[in-house]
Amino acid sequence: AQSVTQLDSQVPVFEEAPVELRCNYSSSVSVYLFWYVQYPNQGLQLLLKYLSGSTLVKGINGFEAEFNKSQTSFHLRKPSVHISDTAEYFCAVTVISSGSARQLTFGSGTQLTVLP
Amino acid sequence: SQTIHQWPATLVQPVGSPLSLECTVEGTSNPNLYWYRQAAGRGLQLLFYSIGIDQISSEVPQNLSASRPQDRQFILSSKKLLLSDSGFYLCAWTRDVSGANVLTFGAGSRLTVL
Repeated sequence: AQSVTQLDSQVPVFEEAPVELRCNYSSSVSVYLFWYVQYPNQGLQLLLKYLSGSTLVKGINGFEAEFNKSQTSFHLRKPSVHISDTAEYFCAVTVISSGSARQLTFGSGTQLTVLP
Repeated sequence: SQTIHQWPATLVQPVGSPLSLECTVEGTSNPNLYWYRQAAGRGLQLLFYSIGIDQISSEVPQNLSASRPQDRQFILSSKKLLLSDSGFYLCAWTRDVSGANVLTFGAGSRLTVL
């Protein structure tokens, strides 16, 4: 079975500074990787996903993530954050051979707080 | 376009009372439906998923049950709530069984059991 570790539970950062949210996964087979964002008291929405091809994936709101197979990582980055990026971010992984999204495993989340 | 609705948005219930949370999807047919629970400081835990009417699988043993009386309706229930049932409940859907599919979530239902 796969697992996901989000190394930082809280990341405070000043507005317009760069940010990296770390995600490592464990799986013995090939995986699909996702980042979701959750704004306060809302459901999750997809930021970006890696299925295949280029290891650098661009998502919405200026976020990007890089898949590193050798380090089993899928870190999320943004070069300059805004106050509106304050939210909780979840990394998720599923094995490619899985039959449905029920095999999707979520990390415990990283709360990004952008300070003025 | 497809939309997903959950209600109620917030609910405060006493221990031992029943529960019914409802989720409906519009703009698609035969969706795969999911119920997740999110506890504070923790990730999402899959509770139930359904690939069709009356076809429901439970992922973890618990005090809750799910039903799918119609194609696009998914209901989470309990006969007697426990304090530990408090949390944020999220309904989600995907188009088909591919693992590459993105989950589309509802806005969630926050349950507080007192």
